[in-house]
Amino acid sequence: DTAVSQTPKYLVTQMGNDKSIKCEQNLGHDTMYWYKQDSKKFLKIMFSYNNKELIINETVPNRFSPKSPDKAHLNLHINSLELGDSAVYFCASSQGAGSSSGNTIYFGEGSWLTVV
Amino acid sequence: GQNIDQPTEMTATEGAIVQINCTYQTSGFNGLFWYQQHAGEAPTFLSYNVLDGLEEKGRFSSFLSRSKGYSYLLLKELQMKDSASYLCAVSSADSNYQLIWGAGTKLIIKP
Repeated sequence: DTAVSQTPKYLVTQMGNDKSIKCEQNLGHDTMYWYKQDSKKFLKIMFSYNNKELIINETVPNRFSPKSPDKAHLNLHINSLELGDSAVYFCASSQGAGSSSGNTIYFGEGSWLTVV
Repeated sequence: GQNIDQPTEMTATEGAIVQINCTYQTSGFNGLFWYQQHAGEAPTFLSYNVLDGLEEKGRFSSFLSRSKGYSYLLLKELQMKDSASYLCAVSSADSNYQLIWGAGTKLIIKP
């Protein structure tokens, strides 16, 4: 069973469209994240939720809106997609908030978003 | 500011040993992680160091020197499947314990 699963894995869409990426974890973790990995391979955190509450909201355009219906799910909705949004988006989870005391972060397989 | 540096790419021979270095500048240091990421896949956890010294785990070992802001990942008996990117990430209490990631070192293993 996949611990952190996200769908879709590949998404090609036109500029201006609205799309969502779904994420679910079955590890019983309290904290979930969305990361963006660009072409230079830097992983940048976008959002972090702990028990359905937003705890980290980095400088991300308002077009990106996370939603956590319960602590096992964290979805990412993107409005008015732009070419620069093309990247790999990773969902992740950990037992505690952040990485204190060595909380390991487990990543989903990634969603490859291409905006054309 | 917070900064992590690691070599962009390294090449090694199957069966050999390779050391991947990572230097960091951060305040509120709270541990350093190494992750492995194969092309087209998610990063997976390799090791965590919060105290100085060497942590050994099978063919992989990770070292930390907090005073020098330095870590390395040592891979022994290299196998072709070790070809991947190796990401160094630092946890900082000053960043709400969120990980600050390096760009990764792409390791190429040659027969």
